[in-house]
Amino acid sequence: DTEVTQTPKHLVMGMTNKKSLKCEQHMGHRAMYWYKQKAKKPPELMFVYSYEKLSINESVPSRFSPECPNSSLLNLHLHALQPEDSALYLCASSTTLDSLYEQYFGPGTRLTVT
Amino acid sequence: AQTVTQSQPEMSVQEAETVTLSCTYDTSESDYYLFWYKQPPSRQMILVIRQEAYKQQNATENRFSVNFQKAAKSFSLKISDSQLGDAAMYFCAYRRGETSGSRLTFGEGTQLTVNP
Repeated sequence: DTEVTQTPKHLVMGMTNKKSLKCEQHMGHRAMYWYKQKAKKPPELMFVYSYEKLSINESVPSRFSPECPNSSLLNLHLHALQPEDSALYLCASSTTLDSLYEQYFGPGTRLTVT
Repeated sequence: AQTVTQSQPEMSVQEAETVTLSCTYDTSESDYYLFWYKQPPSRQMILVIRQEAYKQQNATENRFSVNFQKAAKSFSLKISDSQLGDAAMYFCAYRRGETSGSRLTFGEGTQLTVNP
């Protein structure tokens, strides 16, 4: 099983809402990543978790709050977002942080902030 | 800082023909990895092929092969016998070799159209 799943597929939220994105993998990977991708642009790294601990935070605004409750699950909590936060949010995982391991990407959540 | 440049925003190819996508990168590191990712309209990013910098032999995966020119810092992707399913955005990416993790640096992408 080389699959990373993400829910929901699509999400529309107002600027005052609180919502969460979910990412799951059952490959035994211990590194998990959140990326933000705007249309026709490459993904931008947001957060990296290694063994359930936050390893990298790319100076992401506090309205995005990541959480890694266990080794298979990664959440991204959203609060008071802005319209410019509308994007495709991709989750990825790899065996460990070691660069030699491939990152497996999920299909993404298309987020629209109104 | 490492940079990755894809100079062709768009490319097109006829079905069954061959196309080459260009990628150059800039780094002062000696240990690194290079990747080509494919992102079809379904959005899921899929690894097409990878190359370790220490390997002189060019990587191949079925119809996909790379031309890795380390001195020139060039890493092009050749797709042979192009199929309609190859239509996608292709991203070239670089990652410094590091056990504690380093960022994937992506190029801006090349949108490939396959014409029947």
